[in-house]
Amino acid sequence: KNEVEQSPQNLTAQEGEFITINCSYSVGISALHWLQQHPGGGIVSLFMLSSGKKKHGRLIATINIQEKHSSLHITASHPRDSAVYICAVRRGETSGSRLTFGEGTQLTVNP
Amino acid sequence: DTEVTQTPKHLVMGMTNKKSLKCEQHMGHRAMYWYKQKAKKPPELMFVYSYEKLSINESVPSRFSPECPNSSLLNLHLHALQPEDSALYLCASSQVGLAGDKGNTGELFFGEGSRLTVL
Repeated sequence: KNEVEQSPQNLTAQEGEFITINCSYSVGISALHWLQQHPGGGIVSLFMLSSGKKKHGRLIATINIQEKHSSLHITASHPRDSAVYICAVRRGETSGSRLTFGEGTQLTVNP
Repeated sequence: DTEVTQTPKHLVMGMTNKKSLKCEQHMGHRAMYWYKQKAKKPPELMFVYSYEKLSINESVPSRFSPECPNSSLLNLHLHALQPEDSALYLCASSQVGLAGDKGNTGELFFGEGSRLTVL
């Protein structure tokens, strides 16, 4: 069993829909990252969480440390949100610590 | 400037060639990383440099040779690669130390990647 599990693996939505991507992990962590990767490669860091909730534009990320679970929500989804969304957890306390990545969720938003 | 710049964006090389991938950041980050990513898979950590010193080598074959000549630059020298080394190579940077300490957000900044094809 992977230390970081994401669901769903693939998600197709219509423009305007509310989207939720889930991440569960089985190890103690110091932080959890949500990353976005568009076709062509570049990875963008969306959020880094160690507790609670963060919001940036149409994106909301939450984490429940006790349940070892995080969710990424996208409100009013748009075709430009189509990308792979990756959950990654940091085990150590320092920024240079190893990240353990989930397998990613491929999101396709149709117009 | 919140960019990590990688060059070249695409590289095709034969198994006997020697080439290098370059990465540059001007955010004052003292931790820099090389990741390898195969298609439809998450990134795999290769190397971590902290204060220009190699701190993590994830048992990477010696045909990959990292170098950190100064705090802004990170190179990955490639020699005698195999076709299975074809992948997207991603560079990243971050502040060093405890997240939350002295304004350290703990955030990781990635470059756009260098797509390598080994023939």
